[in-house]
Amino acid sequence: EDQVTQSPEALRLQEGESSSLNCSYTVSGLRGLFWYRQDPGKGPEFLFTLYSAGEEKEKERLKATLTKKESFLHITAPKPEDSATYLCAVHGVRGGGGNKLTFGTGTQLKVEL
Amino acid sequence: GAVVSQHPSRVICKSGTSVKIECRSLDFQATTMFWYRQFPKQSLMLMATSNEGSKATYEQGVEKDKFLINHASLTLSTLTVTSAHPEDSSFYICSAQTTATYEQYFGPGTRLTVT
Repeated sequence: EDQVTQSPEALRLQEGESSSLNCSYTVSGLRGLFWYRQDPGKGPEFLFTLYSAGEEKEKERLKATLTKKESFLHITAPKPEDSATYLCAVHGVRGGGGNKLTFGTGTQLKVEL
Repeated sequence: GAVVSQHPSRVICKSGTSVKIECRSLDFQATTMFWYRQFPKQSLMLMATSNEGSKATYEQGVEKDKFLINHASLTLSTLTVTSAHPEDSSFYICSAQTTATYEQYFGPGTRLTVT
């Protein structure tokens, strides 16, 4: 069974204070690892897909990296508008059947002035 | 690109009535859509996988007769909560999956309140 563990559960940063969120996973044949951002009362917003170890993707202040066991979401010089819950999910070859994703419980990020 | 809409965004209904929620992929075709439920400050809980033209696959513990799913076209899936009760009050979110990349794009969610 595919598993995803995200840490920390919550993170408080000062504006401009860079940090990283962690997503550890076990999966039977990785088809893709996905990062989403979710604001309160809204559906998750797609950020990145990573397919193989060593792959990196960037978008504005965010950079996602992938190894065979974990993924990091690096946030450089965050701003208050980056405050949200960040979700990680994996799609495995045998992910319980079908094409469903296995989600972590998320990291709640708050960036303060 | 990859926009998914949901309607309604909020609905209040009386106990015992049924409510239908629509999920549409606006700019791509989705053979597979998913329905999730989310409780406050918790992660997404997958309820069912909806495949166009076939019966939905429900997760363990989800009553298929209570949560009716129809995926009649490549851009539309509906979730009907039948005989709703207060414990069905929740945030329901759908997603549509692209065939090539398996990426899921989420709708904005529907807040259901059963009184």
